[in-house]
Amino acid sequence: AQTVTQSQPEMSVQEAETVTLSCTYDTSESNYYLFWYKQPPSRQMILVIRQEAYKQQNATENRFSVNFQKAAKSFSLKISDSQLGDTAMYFCAFDGNMLTFGGGTRLMVKP
Amino acid sequence: GAVVSQHPSRVICKSGTSVKIECRSLDFQATTMFWYRQFPKQSLMLMATSNEGSKATYEQGVEKDKFLINHASLTLSTLTVTSAHPEDSSFYICSAHSRQSLTEAFFGQGTRLTVV
Repeated sequence: AQTVTQSQPEMSVQEAETVTLSCTYDTSESNYYLFWYKQPPSRQMILVIRQEAYKQQNATENRFSVNFQKAAKSFSLKISDSQLGDTAMYFCAFDGNMLTFGGGTRLMVKP
Repeated sequence: GAVVSQHPSRVICKSGTSVKIECRSLDFQATTMFWYRQFPKQSLMLMATSNEGSKATYEQGVEKDKFLINHASLTLSTLTVTSAHPEDSSFYICSAHSRQSLTEAFFGQGTRLTVV
């Protein structure tokens, strides 16, 4: 069974600064996908970024980028130039044949 | 991106009654849909996997007779909470995978169920 661990229950960052959210996972699979989802107060799950395990290049989506270390089974999310609208719960997720979510990190962006 | 519509967004029901939650894929065919439960300030817990035309697969600890799942078509899955009790109050979320994008899940808006 896969497990996903987010070791930071809560984090805060000043507007315009950079913050990194940690995620580690455990699996015996070699082909899989990793995701970061954002859940704002509306509770709608929003896909932030996706990484395919067979790709060595780290995924980037505008201000969001990941540091994917396959051997270490680490998948951190970096948010640059943080904005107030980034305030939300962030979930790391592993997709083998179904999604397994981490416990989440509550991010607060302060003005 | 693909759109998944979940209805209702909020429902309050009396203890002992049943509540049906619908999950529709609006612009794609969903071969598989998933139902999650989320307690306050916690992560999503998978309840069951719903496959079109076949019985749902329930996760360990989820009562099949209490949480009835029907996936009658490629665009609709329903979750019925039967004989609801206050402890069933929670946030329920569905997600769907399309035939074209098996690796990406599209989420509904969620349903907040309150049993009084």
